[in-house]
Amino acid sequence: ETGVTQTPRHLVMGMTNKKSLKCEQHLGHNAMYWYKQSAKKPLELMFVYSLEERVENNSVPSRFSPECPNSSHLFLHLHTLQPEDSALYLCASSQDHRTGGQPQHFGDGTRLSIL
Amino acid sequence: SQQGEEDPQALSIQEGENATMNCSYKTSINNLQWYRQNSGRGLVHLILIRSNEREKHSGRLRVTLDTSKKSSSLLITASRAADTASYFCATVGSGSARQLTFGSGTQLTVLP
Repeated sequence: ETGVTQTPRHLVMGMTNKKSLKCEQHLGHNAMYWYKQSAKKPLELMFVYSLEERVENNSVPSRFSPECPNSSHLFLHLHTLQPEDSALYLCASSQDHRTGGQPQHFGDGTRLSIL
Repeated sequence: SQQGEEDPQALSIQEGENATMNCSYKTSINNLQWYRQNSGRGLVHLILIRSNEREKHSGRLRVTLDTSKKSSSLLITASRAADTASYFCATVGSGSARQLTFGSGTQLTVLP
């Protein structure tokens, strides 16, 4: 139990569907992150939220839309995805993004498959 | 751009042996972290070493950092089958960037 819960664990969707990934952290952290993990590639940072404000967006296509309604919850809204978007999507949290390089706590991810 | 690069990409050892994984990086860092990922799970933070530290221990883990060579190593002593996992190094730059930059990882298999 890492204190970061992601749902669903697995998701299969067609390219025209709209779905959302959910992440919840129970650690009282102020920063939350979305990463994409593809086979044979390093983790790619997608978005960073600090105190519910988006502070980084690493050139992610607009078909991925993050939402952070409060410091405990983070969503990733998906629409019109492409087959190359199939990957493991990991959510993480850390105590404070402004103090650089703190350890991050990860959820177990959502395995996304695009048909 | 990728910062950390682990070596080897895959490592297979017998239970009880030591496992050593290396990480090289390109730019100056604030700190370097090691993470473990079991199959189908998220990453778990193992240890953080700051740029002004040379060695750190945590249980059976020993991490070294050589900033002159821009490299770090993770040693797992007396390995167990449960240590089978992927191990990643991640760096935090010394500039204004606060994000972790991960390498591609080393897949460690410990045979019983």
